[in-house]
Amino acid sequence: DIVMTQSPDSLAVSLGERATINCKSSQSVFYSSNNKNYLAWYQQKPGQPPKLLIYWASSRESGVPDRFSGSGSVTDFTLTISSLQAEDVAVYYCQQYYRTPPTFGQGTKLEIK
Amino acid sequence: QLQLQESGPGLVQPSETLSLTCTLSGGSITSRNYYWGWIRQPPGKGLEWIGSIFYRGSTYDNPSLKSRVTISVDTSKNQFSLTVTSVTAADTAVYYCARHEYSSGPTWFDAWGQGTLVTVSS
Repeated sequence: DIVMTQSPDSLAVSLGERATINCKSSQSVFYSSNNKNYLAWYQQKPGQPPKLLIYWASSRESGVPDRFSGSGSVTDFTLTISSLQAEDVAVYYCQQYYRTPPTFGQGTKLEIK
Repeated sequence: QLQLQESGPGLVQPSETLSLTCTLSGGSITSRNYYWGWIRQPPGKGLEWIGSIFYRGSTYDNPSLKSRVTISVDTSKNQFSLTVTSVTAADTAVYYCARHEYSSGPTWFDAWGQGTLVTVSS
């Protein structure tokens, strides 16, 4: 299985500041034939299911605020929240879908400083 | 708008079988673009994909659970189901049903049920 490792495990950021979460895969999730990275990002608030934010590493899901952006390629990826809002407090997960089984990172807990 | 709802017992005895159903509303399980999957999350822990099914019955399973898991579909009821046999405390988790597109395998999960907590305990 592809192992997804996120860093940091937890993060405290001031309102209006930038938050950056990293995700590293144990092997490449880049498919050269279509030039796509098989990586998604989710947001999970307490008591709720995960919500899809980003797919293909950088494509924003419909309805997701543009302060959320994804970047990176091959094995190293980043989720950036450009200006943290109070409603962004959550646990964030990355997920690879390059190989079956799809696997998730361990999660990064984002809090307000 | 598509909604998914899990249902089933919240408490299962060790060594017994866990059975859950996911019912769709606002959309059809026979959509040719999507697979329907199960994902679980032990309390306070991360997410684990269990398996997925297409409305015609083809399935993808996580090898870590494959021998104990069966996923089935009932198109007449717009439902799909999960059974896990020989459960232990390690199977205690919130179980989610979710939708994903297919591209030579599972992709991203873009619609989720609210989840149901299943506790394995005597």
